Amino acid sequence: GENVEQHPSTLSVQEGDSAVIKCTYSDSASNYFPWYKQELGKRPQLIIDIRSNVGEKKDQRIAVTLNKTAKHFSLHITETQPEDSAVYFCAVDSWGKLQFGAGTQVVVTP
Amino acid sequence: GAVVSQHPSRVICKSGTSVKIECRSLDFQATTMFWYRQFPKQSLMLMATSNEGSKATYEQGVEKDKFLINHASLTLSTLTVTSAHPEDSSFYICSASNRDRGTDTQYFGPGTRLTVL
Repeated sequence: GENVEQHPSTLSVQEGDSAVIKCTYSDSASNYFPWYKQELGKRPQLIIDIRSNVGEKKDQRIAVTLNKTAKHFSLHITETQPEDSAVYFCAVDSWGKLQFGAGTQVVVTP
Repeated sequence: GAVVSQHPSRVICKSGTSVKIECRSLDFQATTMFWYRQFPKQSLMLMATSNEGSKATYEQGVEKDKFLINHASLTLSTLTVTSAHPEDSSFYICSASNRDRGTDTQYFGPGTRLTVL
């Protein structure tokens, strides 16, 4: 089955700096890669996703890059703000099911 | 659009009782619904996948007789935790997608916090 690894597990950044989270996967047939943000006790919220036919996608301060050859994709958050503090999960669609990474606790300090 | 609700949001029950959790897609038809379990400070673990009108497909290690799933309509799926025990205490989250629209996007419900005493 699909194996998704996510790094780092925790990330502390100064407000205004950038944050980068990276995920690797094992199944080369996977073609859909969403990122979710989850605040404590709340539902995961889709923040951005990318499909295998593109290498990069951007939405305001958030961007995702995908390297299908190397089987890794990354989330980039620029100009971080305190409200960006949350747990971020990458996921990989494998045969119609999402396999989640272990999550990254992001803390943005003012 | 793409709103998913869950009920109840929080439930406390005694060991040995059964608990039913409802998941509804409010503004779209969900051809597929998924049930996840999330323990504190851990990731989401898929328990089962259900398609409207057919039996659910359970992930390895998930007891189908303990976690009963029903997907009776395109907007409603239920998860029943039978004979609950303290180790079943967790955050249960459903998600819904509509593959007929050609999208893999899953929309998550707000989750149900289950505490078994």
